[in-house]
Amino acid sequence: TQLLEQSPQFLSIQEGENLTVYCNSSSVFSSLQWYRQEPGEGPVLLVTVVTGGEVKKLKRLTFQFGDARKDSSLHITAAQPGDTGLYLCAYNNNDMRFGAGTRLTVKP
Amino acid sequence: DTAVSQTPKYLVTQMGNDKSIKCEQNLGHDTMYWYKQDSKKFLKIMFSYNNKELIINETVPNRFSPKSPDKAHLNLHINSLELGDSAVYFCASSQASLSLYGYTFGSGTRLTVV
Repeated sequence: TQLLEQSPQFLSIQEGENLTVYCNSSSVFSSLQWYRQEPGEGPVLLVTVVTGGEVKKLKRLTFQFGDARKDSSLHITAAQPGDTGLYLCAYNNNDMRFGAGTRLTVKP
Repeated sequence: DTAVSQTPKYLVTQMGNDKSIKCEQNLGHDTMYWYKQDSKKFLKIMFSYNNKELIINETVPNRFSPKSPDKAHLNLHINSLELGDSAVYFCASSQASLSLYGYTFGSGTRLTVV
């Protein structure tokens, strides 16, 4: 059973657009992590969110942890083709468990 | 310097063969993992090793066996390969299994069983 539901599953946008992807659950987590996986590579950690309501920024990426620590969102401002990839959220349960991911394509 | 390196990058083999995938990390991490990513890109934990001890073993067929000669290496051996074993296999490492610093992944081994 997957505890993390990610949406949308696929997203294709034009360069310069803004977007938000979601990671939802009915469970409460002590922390959530976001990874980006580019084609032919392994996932790379982007951020860890720990505190309910927390907002973290990484250049054009803004991550938010829900107040109840059950969900998280990733907002990208002015998307660029280099943002193309699979975005995964994950929680730790003695090992990292991943959602199914959002496949983002940013067209030039 | 590559932090987590796995070889080979691509592996094509026939059903019934036995194959191994090697993984090495130079980060000094104490826990290593193997993940399987299927055609739908879903990443599923297979094994983790901490200080040469297997601490997690999901419902993986016993044809798969992790082997860790030392803390920096965790190899994956697969016996009697089946078509359904075709996937991308990722090795990863972390300082501790509950690390907030996340996992460092290798670039994957694409296994194709024909």
